[in-house]
Amino acid sequence: DQQVKQNSPSLSVQEGRISILNCDYTNSMFDYFLWYKKYPAEGPTFLISISSIKDKNEDGRFTVFLNKSAKHLSLHIVPSQPGDSAVYFCAAHTGTASKLTFGTGTRLQVTL
Amino acid sequence: DVKVTQSSRYLVKRTGEKVFLECVQDMDHENMFWYRQDPGLGLRLIYFSYDVKMKEKGDIPEGYSVSREKKERFSLILESASTNQTSMYLCASSTGLAGDTDTQYFGPGTRLTVL
Repeated sequence: DQQVKQNSPSLSVQEGRISILNCDYTNSMFDYFLWYKKYPAEGPTFLISISSIKDKNEDGRFTVFLNKSAKHLSLHIVPSQPGDSAVYFCAAHTGTASKLTFGTGTRLQVTL
Repeated sequence: DVKVTQSSRYLVKRTGEKVFLECVQDMDHENMFWYRQDPGLGLRLIYFSYDVKMKEKGDIPEGYSVSREKKERFSLILESASTNQTSMYLCASSTGLAGDTDTQYFGPGTRLTVL
């Protein structure tokens, strides 16, 4: 049972445009959400997170939006750069435990 | 900076061999984790540990065991490697504090091939 879903396995965006990566979840007990970025042959690196008491968190070019009623979050990257090409994982946890549940990942390709 | 290191980047083993994957973190983190990453399946939690000598099963513990004798070191053991354990193995650590401060930091991964 996939509690965190990333339905788009891949996404291609032109440099300078907005990249929008989506994530849906089913467990209503999740109250912290994180995005990780992974380059080939490297471990995932933390990108940005959001608590369920917020609906938006911004860090430079990266913004995460949370819609609790829809159990949906999205990561916006503006403007997209070639160095953003990587696999992006959405993850969630309940806040009282460290155990993260990851989505299956979306491969972002930023083209010139 | 948090540093999580894994003993090998690439490993090739034969079916039936006992395999040890080592992970060390240098930030005095309470929690440590082992995941495997497979195409189309994302990261799946194998085992985690929230204290020395403590361990809990993750989502896919079958065929694996773990050991945490020291706070900084967490080992994943494949008792008898099988070809379906060919995967990328990722170790992570976190502070163990509740809330969004409990970010997990990952090592570079070990690409294990079982022939």
